[in-house]
Amino acid sequence: AQTVTQSQPEMSVQEAETVTLSCTYDTSESDYYLFWYKQPPSRQMILVIRQEAYKQQNATENRFSVNFQKAAKSFSLKISDSQLGDAAMYFCAYRTADGGSNYKLTFGKGTLLTVNP
Amino acid sequence: DVKVTQSSRYLVKRTGEKVFLECVQDMDHENMFWYRQDPGLGLRLIYFSYDVKMKEKGDIPEGYSVSREKKERFSLILESASTNQTSMYLCASSQGQHRPQHFGDGTRLSIL
Repeated sequence: AQTVTQSQPEMSVQEAETVTLSCTYDTSESDYYLFWYKQPPSRQMILVIRQEAYKQQNATENRFSVNFQKAAKSFSLKISDSQLGDAAMYFCAYRTADGGSNYKLTFGKGTLLTVNP
Repeated sequence: DVKVTQSSRYLVKRTGEKVFLECVQDMDHENMFWYRQDPGLGLRLIYFSYDVKMKEKGDIPEGYSVSREKKERFSLILESASTNQTSMYLCASSQGQHRPQHFGDGTRLSIL
């Protein structure tokens, strides 16, 4: 079974600075998807960024980028120019890309990010 | 935008009651999911469905059942609520195999 580990329960960053959230995963599959979701205090889970394992290029969405190291099974999220609105719980998640009906996400336990003004 | 709507934001029920949590999505998505979220445990999958009347157990199905009679609606049922089912419940939907999941706002359920 796949597992996702977020080793940092809490992180803090100064506004306008850069922060990196860590995520490692364990799988025997060669093709899969990785995601970062953000859950602000309003509670709705919002997709931040996604990465397909077969793509070597790291995904980027505006101030958010990932460092995907497939051999190391590592998928970290970098937030540049941090803003107060980035404060949230961040979840790393894994999903198989194999066929069939197994579309479920496996989540890490989350990292609570605080942004200090 | 995809809209996933959960019927209640907060719900308080008593031990032994039968509890229904409802979720509706408006984008004709094939797949729907129920998770529970607990501090320090992240999100854990309870059940999911990839088609009408189809369901599959997730990681923690015990004490729960689901119903999907229409494509847009996925219900989570606590047959006899217990205090250890006090939690945040999140519904999600997705289309096909390669699209990401979209989440509702969550229902914070308290069992007294």
